[in-house]
Amino acid sequence: ETGVTQSPTHLIKTRGQQVTLRCSSQSGHNTVSWYQQALGQGPQFIFQYYREEENGRGNFPPRFSGLQFPNYSSELNVNALELDDSALYLCASSRSNRALQSSHTFGSGTRLTVV
Amino acid sequence: DQQVKQNSPSLSVQEGRISILNCDYTNSMFDYFLWYKKYPAEGPTFLISISSIKDKNEDGRFTVFLNKSAKHLSLHIVPSQPGDSAVYFCAASGSNTGNQFYFGTGTSLTVIP
Repeated sequence: ETGVTQSPTHLIKTRGQQVTLRCSSQSGHNTVSWYQQALGQGPQFIFQYYREEENGRGNFPPRFSGLQFPNYSSELNVNALELDDSALYLCASSRSNRALQSSHTFGSGTRLTVV
Repeated sequence: DQQVKQNSPSLSVQEGRISILNCDYTNSMFDYFLWYKKYPAEGPTFLISISSIKDKNEDGRFTVFLNKSAKHLSLHIVPSQPGDSAVYFCAASGSNTGNQFYFGTGTSLTVIP
């Protein structure tokens, strides 16, 4: 059983640019959630995708967007990058779209640095 | 606002002794709680969970206690081992919080051999 894989592992972008982060979910999991973890903080929920549609969103602006594909993999897109977007971005997959019924399996994350 | 709080950024414990990690929450609608462990350069790994219908859940060396009236949960590790050295996050969700988990800021545990 393969786990959650994320790419790339590290990325440096310039303020104002756009970035796409990718995530392959664990086998058997149909739901993908994205979290942002700033330095010294816990992961903060960005959004969740279930059946290729956004299924919940945290307190993040619209320039954070995503996609889920038929094979349940997912992308996180961030437009007009700001310095404060520098963080570890974690993808997590689960068997259920309901937080009460499942735990997340996390990938190792993508470390994004905006300069 | 931080709905899940871990007020101890770090904890050091001797090998073989008990480690107690604490977590407080403010949202009374939270009814499902989890602990995750995170090693450097890895994603968080699920450790143990508890629902609000219980006040204790045990899995091997790990036990989570939930005190709903105090809005407090704790993770006990007995006996602590050097391999337990990691950052521990508590997380919570509830029937009215959508599909997200709310995470605390983490406690870095060091188990000294």
